[in-house]
Amino acid sequence: EVQLVESGGGLVQPGGSLRLSCAASGFNFSDYEMNWVRQAPGKGLQWVSYISSRGSAIYYANSAKGRFTISRDNAKNSLYLQMNSLRGEDTAVYYCARLSRSGSYFDYWGQGTLVTVSS
Amino acid sequence: SYVLTQPPSVSVAPGQTARITCGGNNVGTKDVHWYRQKPGQAPVLVVFDDSDRPSGIPERFSGSKSGKMATLTISRVEAGDEADYYCQVWDSSPVAFGGGTKLTVL
Repeated sequence: EVQLVESGGGLVQPGGSLRLSCAASGFNFSDYEMNWVRQAPGKGLQWVSYISSRGSAIYYANSAKGRFTISRDNAKNSLYLQMNSLRGEDTAVYYCARLSRSGSYFDYWGQGTLVTVSS
Repeated sequence: SYVLTQPPSVSVAPGQTARITCGGNNVGTKDVHWYRQKPGQAPVLVVFDDSDRPSGIPERFSGSKSGKMATLTISRVEAGDEADYYCQVWDSSPVAFGGGTKLTVL
């Protein structure tokens, strides 16, 4: 059974940093491209970042460029999101999501981890 | 960035058919995917590649596309279908989501 379990969320002050993790199991993690998608309270889904299966290709949403860094450790079956210079508008539930083999839709999602940026 | 437009809300009585639309300039040339999200839960894929269903999704869920508009159709709507529904395409951005549609079962 495919499982994605996020962790690392919490309360952080504006300007602070946080590192999210996503532990994957039930599939060959190194074969799949992965993403982070977030959802602000009461709002819709917003894609944040993408990383290819070996980490050679990375993309960010404009809102994340220069502040967030996506990475992965295939030996540990883990995906990460380092978030720096956090702002109030970064407050959201952050989901890790597996990209399908066809490379255009998200076939599995984690349960999400809540990041709250507030003083 | 690419924009996908969905109606904010759709209401339907149990047993009736719900249709949720997703419009965008490049919808006709991109595969459109649909997700259902119930309160407090993660999104779940219900339709991919315009009209295919993942295993475990009832046949009542179907997708179609015409011109610049994609449609998610839910037949014989049940109370348990009440949720937010999002369309999504993989584009040059590279990912775009619609704003979401809240389906209310009356």
